Amino acid sequence: KAGVTQTPRYLIKTRGQQVTLSCSPISGHRSVSWYQQTPGQGLQFLFEYFSETQRNKGNFPGRFSGRQFSNSRSEMNVSTLELGDSALYLCASSFNRDTEAFFGQGTRLTVV
Amino acid sequence: GQQLNQSPQSMFIQEGEDVSMNCTSSSIFNTWLWYKQDPGEGPVLLIALYKAGELTSNGRLTAQFGITRKDSFLNISASIPSDVGIYFCAGQLSGSSNTGKLIFGQGTTLQVKP
Repeated sequence: KAGVTQTPRYLIKTRGQQVTLSCSPISGHRSVSWYQQTPGQGLQFLFEYFSETQRNKGNFPGRFSGRQFSNSRSEMNVSTLELGDSALYLCASSFNRDTEAFFGQGTRLTVV
Repeated sequence: GQQLNQSPQSMFIQEGEDVSMNCTSSSIFNTWLWYKQDPGEGPVLLIALYKAGELTSNGRLTAQFGITRKDSFLNISASIPSDVGIYFCAGQLSGSSNTGKLIFGQGTTLQVKP
């Protein structure tokens, strides 16, 4: 059974640009959540999607958004990139909203 | 916001020794999860706990969901060099508004000397 797949693995963007990250969950999993990991703040919850609807949201500005498709695949978008957005972005999938979460390898975003 | 206090922050041990780490909070959790993360990779799920008092093992790893639902610990027995990495606890707070959201501890960095 394939795990959680995130693409791309690495990205370098310039301040002010926008970026879209993709996540394919484990087959049969319906919940997808996103996390930002930085050395200073650790792992912080961004948002969670279930049945194509955002069900929960963390304390991040509106520049961070996401969506989920009917096949449970998810994308997150960051607009007007800032240097502080440089981080490892992790996607996790779960069968249900309260079952164990499995993480992908992450997308390393560097903003210059 | 809600906080998970994970300790110790780092450990440097001899191969073959046992390791213990824990997470505590002032809030009540419905779920506790333990992950291991290697550099440049995503966290890998080690153990999942769903009931207060639950004790679960995965090979040399044992974790428990605290009776008060405010803490959890992870033990690693007979450590080996491949146990090196960062270990994270994560929990889902009680309450329907917290479903689908994990809160993470700060991590415990484990180094094993052969």
